[in-house]
Amino acid sequence: NAGVMQNPRHLVRRRGQEARLRCSPMKGHSHVYWYRQLPEEGLKFMVYLQKENIIDESGMPKERFSAEFPKEGPSILRIQQVVRGDSAAYFCASSPSGTNEKLFFGSGTQLSVL
Amino acid sequence: KNQVEQSPQSLIILEGKNCTLQCNYTVSPFSNLRWYKQDTGRGPVSLTIMTFSENTKSNGRYTATLDADTKQSSLHITASQLSDSASYICVVILQTGANNLFFGTGTRLTVIP
Repeated sequence: NAGVMQNPRHLVRRRGQEARLRCSPMKGHSHVYWYRQLPEEGLKFMVYLQKENIIDESGMPKERFSAEFPKEGPSILRIQQVVRGDSAAYFCASSPSGTNEKLFFGSGTQLSVL
Repeated sequence: KNQVEQSPQSLIILEGKNCTLQCNYTVSPFSNLRWYKQDTGRGPVSLTIMTFSENTKSNGRYTATLDADTKQSSLHITASQLSDSASYICVVILQTGANNLFFGTGTRLTVIP
């Protein structure tokens, strides 16, 4: 039973390009959460999704950022027109049902914007 | 001011020694508190989950304590090993809301031979 899989592990983009981060939750998990971690800072909530639905996106910037979790396939966090401030580690976590269940985290995607 | 504060920010100890990490929180209404271990370049991995009624919980060489009245928790590591070198993150979960996880900034532990 594979854990939460994120890819790519490292992503380098130039300013103005698009970044797509993928997350495949653990088998049987229908809840996905995205977090951002800046150096020396704690993880910050971005968005919570269930299959085909965004439940809470209160932590995600209103512009340039979007997330989806389609019926088939991984969850995608998309950042358009990246800026240097977007450089961070982006972690995905999944749970079988709701945040009070133990969360399982992926290994993260380190995004570097040049 | 962070709603979940951890101390110390970093700690260096000799292999075989014990250490205690602290977590103070202000968020409410409290549901449970978790300690995670995060190795460099990896995602956090859960060590313990403590509910309001639990004062102490052990997981091998890790022992977590919780005082819900003073809103303090500690993680005690016994007989440290080199593989314990990591960041230890305290996470407080509230009773309601999807965005109900509050993460501390972590304590960076380095165990040296």
